[in-house]
Amino acid sequence: GNSVTQMEGPVTLSEEAFLTINCTYTATGYPSLFWYVQYPGEGLQLLLKATKADDKGSNKGFEATYRKETTSFHLEKGSVQVSDSAVYFCALSSHTGGFKTIFGAGTRLFVKA
Amino acid sequence: DAGVIQSPRHEVTEMGQEVTLRCKPISGHNSLFWYRQTMMRGLELLIYFNNNVPIDDSGMPEDRFSAKMPNASFSTLKIQPSEPRDSAVYFCASSNTGSSYNSPLHFGNGTRLTVT
Repeated sequence: GNSVTQMEGPVTLSEEAFLTINCTYTATGYPSLFWYVQYPGEGLQLLLKATKADDKGSNKGFEATYRKETTSFHLEKGSVQVSDSAVYFCALSSHTGGFKTIFGAGTRLFVKA
Repeated sequence: DAGVIQSPRHEVTEMGQEVTLRCKPISGHNSLFWYRQTMMRGLELLIYFNNNVPIDDSGMPEDRFSAKMPNASFSTLKIQPSEPRDSAVYFCASSNTGSSYNSPLHFGNGTRLTVT
């Protein structure tokens, strides 16, 4: 079945550091890939998405490239801020999975001033 | 544009009591999902509806859990009787899937349930 694996956290960085959160997936067919972010006390919200191989999703300085050859969708940001502290979830949906979205376990990011 | 609205935000109840969680999806969205989030198990899909019809309830943990969607603007998740292990944050999400699986989910802010 479809699955998503992302790096365990927490990840602790200083402000302005470079961020990478690794995500790999297993899926049949051609899935769409997503990154969601969850701030304390809130629900998840879409950060970015990519729907086909080699697509790059981007938003608020975050980027992720859909790599079919390595089945990966790593999240990157060149310079993190304290306000980026949150939990980040990698996710996929696929026509073989109906309308279900499968989420990774989440990676908590702490950014220190 | 109002987002997904869940109520209550917090619920504290005693073991054995009935609990009802409510959700109003975004107007025009045709799919609705109930998720449960815990530290141990992460984010679990309990059930989802498409055009008000339950499509997959394989994630519902036990017969104590039931969900309904009587119309396009309202859904409930009921636990009867509740148990301490049901304590979690329950999220409702909606999406405008149509014939595409590319549509992202829009989450409410969740209901934090504590069963003592």
